[in-house]
Amino acid sequence: AQSVSQHNHHVILSEAASLELGCNYSYGGTVNLFWYVQYPGQHLQLLLKYFSGDPLVKGIKGFEAEFIKSKFSFNLRKPSVQWSDTAEYFCAVWGNNNDMRFGAGTRLTVKP
Amino acid sequence: NAGVTQTPKFRILKIGQSMTLQCTQDMNHNYMYWYRQDPGMGLKLIYYSVGAGITDKGEVPNGYNVSRSTTEDFPLRLELAAPSQTSVYFCASSPPGLEETQYFGPGTRLLVL
Repeated sequence: AQSVSQHNHHVILSEAASLELGCNYSYGGTVNLFWYVQYPGQHLQLLLKYFSGDPLVKGIKGFEAEFIKSKFSFNLRKPSVQWSDTAEYFCAVWGNNNDMRFGAGTRLTVKP
Repeated sequence: NAGVTQTPKFRILKIGQSMTLQCTQDMNHNYMYWYRQDPGMGLKLIYYSVGAGITDKGEVPNGYNVSRSTTEDFPLRLELAAPSQTSVYFCASSPPGLEETQYFGPGTRLLVL
């Protein structure tokens, strides 16, 4: 089965700083990749997803992610974070076995 | 559409008690899922269903049961609650042809003492 690693447990940034959250996965087959966000007290929402095609995927709220197949990575980026981006971010991998695996999550705190 | 709804929002159980977590979606989605979320552990799949009458185990099914008698409902049953089942439980669903894209409910926080 596939697995996902998110190496940053907690990231603290000031507003306007650039963000990159790491995500690595292991799976031998074709994967679909996702980033979900969970704002405080809310449920998970889809930020962006990669199925195929252009490896640079743009999502909502100015987020983007790049799929690098050779590195088994799908890092999330944002050029300039805002206080409202404070949330927990989860990378997820869907294999061809109807199974979604999530990473442990990265908590982002943005200081105003 | 209400989307994915879950009840209750919060529950305290004693060890050995049983309960059912309710999940309903009104989007006519085929696929439905149950996850648990533990601090620092991300979400882990408990059970999923590809349609009414069909269920299958996920990564952590022990101690849980599910049923899917209708397209809309996917209840999760805990028969003998244990402290290890203290967690936040999320139900999700996904539309036909886009099984990978999941819509999550607001969660049920369960505390087993």
